Amino acid sequence: DQQVKQNSPSLSVQEGRISILNCDYTNSMFDYFLWYKKYPAEGPTFLISISSIKDKNEDGRFTVFLNKSAKHLSLHIVPSQPGDSAVYFCAASYYGGATNKLIFGTGTLLAVQP
Amino acid sequence: DVKVTQSSRYLVKRTGEKVFLECVQDMDHENMFWYRQDPGLGLRLIYFSYDVKMKEKGDIPEGYSVSREKKERFSLILESASTNQTSMYLCASSFSTSSNQPQHFGDGTRLSIL
Repeated sequence: DQQVKQNSPSLSVQEGRISILNCDYTNSMFDYFLWYKKYPAEGPTFLISISSIKDKNEDGRFTVFLNKSAKHLSLHIVPSQPGDSAVYFCAASYYGGATNKLIFGTGTLLAVQP
Repeated sequence: DVKVTQSSRYLVKRTGEKVFLECVQDMDHENMFWYRQDPGLGLRLIYFSYDVKMKEKGDIPEGYSVSREKKERFSLILESASTNQTSMYLCASSFSTSSNQPQHFGDGTRLSIL
């Protein structure tokens, strides 16, 4: 059973507009949520995170919103740039065993059109 | 910057071979992880290690083992490679057990089992 879901496999946006990537989760025990960005032939790179006790975190053009009652988070990119074209993975963190572990969603491919 | 280096970008092996994937990190991180990435499935945790010689199974450990003899190095071993282990393998490391510490990834090894 997928505990972290990204229901949109792909998203296409015009340069300068807003990109909104969505993620749903099922487990209330997750304590942090993270977004990673992945270019082809490279490993994922950490983008932004949010604690489960917050509802918003902002870093430059990137803002993550968390709605705990709906078990939903979203990543907003404003304004979108062609260099933002990549696969975005949502991940949820929990403390399991000896260390924190991540559960990843299946990813959303963002294409920003010039 | 954290550097996680995976020894091979591409690897082709035959069914039944014993395969070693190597990962080295240069930031004295306690935790190291091995994932595989498959289309439509996101990243799935195979094994992780929270200290030298310490390891724990992740979500899909069957057919794999790991070794961590030194803090900076974490090896993934396919005991007898099978075609269903053809995948992209990603190594990651993190500094501590805190959930807000992001994992840092290598660029991946694309492994094909023929």
